Amino acid sequence: KAGVTQTPRYLIKTRGQQVTLSCSPISGHRSVSWYQQTPGQGLQFLFEYFSETQRNKGNFPGRFSGRQFSNSRSEMNVSTLELGDSALYLCASSQASGSRTDTQYFGPGTRLTVL
Amino acid sequence: GQSLEQPSEVTAVEGAIVQINCTYQTSGFYGLSWYQQHDGGAPTFLSYNALDGLEETGRFSSFLSRSDSYGYLLLQELQMKDSASYFCAVRGFQTGANNLFFGTGTRLTVIP
Repeated sequence: KAGVTQTPRYLIKTRGQQVTLSCSPISGHRSVSWYQQTPGQGLQFLFEYFSETQRNKGNFPGRFSGRQFSNSRSEMNVSTLELGDSALYLCASSQASGSRTDTQYFGPGTRLTVL
Repeated sequence: GQSLEQPSEVTAVEGAIVQINCTYQTSGFYGLSWYQQHDGGAPTFLSYNALDGLEETGRFSSFLSRSDSYGYLLLQELQMKDSASYFCAVRGFQTGANNLFFGTGTRLTVIP
């Protein structure tokens, strides 16, 4: 099976712009979670989508949003970019949502730089 | 709130054994996971402890003690390729959620 894929891998934007990142989960996986990774804050949960519904949301401002399509592919959007949004954005897929033992598989990430 | 504390850096010699600790404060969780991340790479799943005790997967073992709010990852027969960052993570008691809360991360450097 192909792994989790994310596009684009690298992105440079300027403050005030918006950006859309894409994630394709492993075939058969219905849950997609998004994480932000920065040197200062580490790995932080953004949100999870399962069957096109947002199941949980982390402590991020409303500028961060996402959605999931019927084929389980997911997108996240960041509007009005700030310098502090520069980070590695990772998505992870798993078969189910809320399973005690289900493993999450991470994609390679999108490196976003905001100038 | 939740917190998972790890040592920021650990250095060990090739062929040796190293233990990476994770101490936590959380109101409740299903289990403790460990992930490895090489520079520029994605986190990859290593091990999971749903119950107290030791789980062994090849050269890697993980341990959990809920009474001590403590866990660790044990890497044996260290290889140069084990140089990476290691994260512990918990999934909290939130129904229907895949919300992994990650520790601060430990950067392991293996030296010859």
